[in-house]
Amino acid sequence: ELKVEQNPLFLSMQEGKNYTIYCNYSTTSDRLYWYRQDPGKSLESLFVLLSNGAVKQEGRLMASLDTKARLSTLHITAAVHDLSATYFCAVASFSMYSGGGADGLTFGKGTHLIIQP
Amino acid sequence: DTGVSQDPRHKITKRGQNVTFRCDPISEHNRLYWYRQTLGQGPEFLTYFQNEAQLEKSRLLSDRFSAERPKGSFSTLEIQRTEQGDSAMYLCASSLVGGGSLNYGYTFGSGTRLTVV
Repeated sequence: ELKVEQNPLFLSMQEGKNYTIYCNYSTTSDRLYWYRQDPGKSLESLFVLLSNGAVKQEGRLMASLDTKARLSTLHITAAVHDLSATYFCAVASFSMYSGGGADGLTFGKGTHLIIQP
Repeated sequence: DTGVSQDPRHKITKRGQNVTFRCDPISEHNRLYWYRQTLGQGPEFLTYFQNEAQLEKSRLLSDRFSAERPKGSFSTLEIQRTEQGDSAMYLCASSLVGGGSLNYGYTFGSGTRLTVV
């Protein structure tokens, strides 16, 4: 059974600081997703990482994937208050039915990020 | 296209009643997924369809849960004999698989928040 662990689960930081959220998963997969969720809202897609060594950046967020270590990171650079949200990583699993796609995603518990002005 | 639509946005029901939720995916997407998210947790995969075929349903939480996608377009998720533990946000997502698509993303709807009293 695929398990996805994020840490930390809660993070309070000051504006201008850098920090990294870690996502470990238990079985082989080369497809990993990062999502943002604001309170009471749905999931906003941030990054899709499709291969070992993949790195993607958007603004102050950068995500990377190491499939050998089964580890992804989401790095926040010079945090600003608007980045306060809950961040989830999710890993795709595959079965005989998946075809070219994947079965459902297995999510971590999320990292609740608060950025203090 | 306005994205993935879910209806209703909120549902309050008495314990023991049946409820049905609807999801309209992005029109060109052939896969549709259902997830449940309880407070403070990541979404939990329930089931998914490719067109009208339900490819995975072993993750449905009990036999009180069922889903349909009769014409390969919209889908419904039904919970029979609701219990207080069913209170959660129910999310729908859609994706396009095959046909040369290289888009591995999932688009999530805004969810239906169920409260069982």
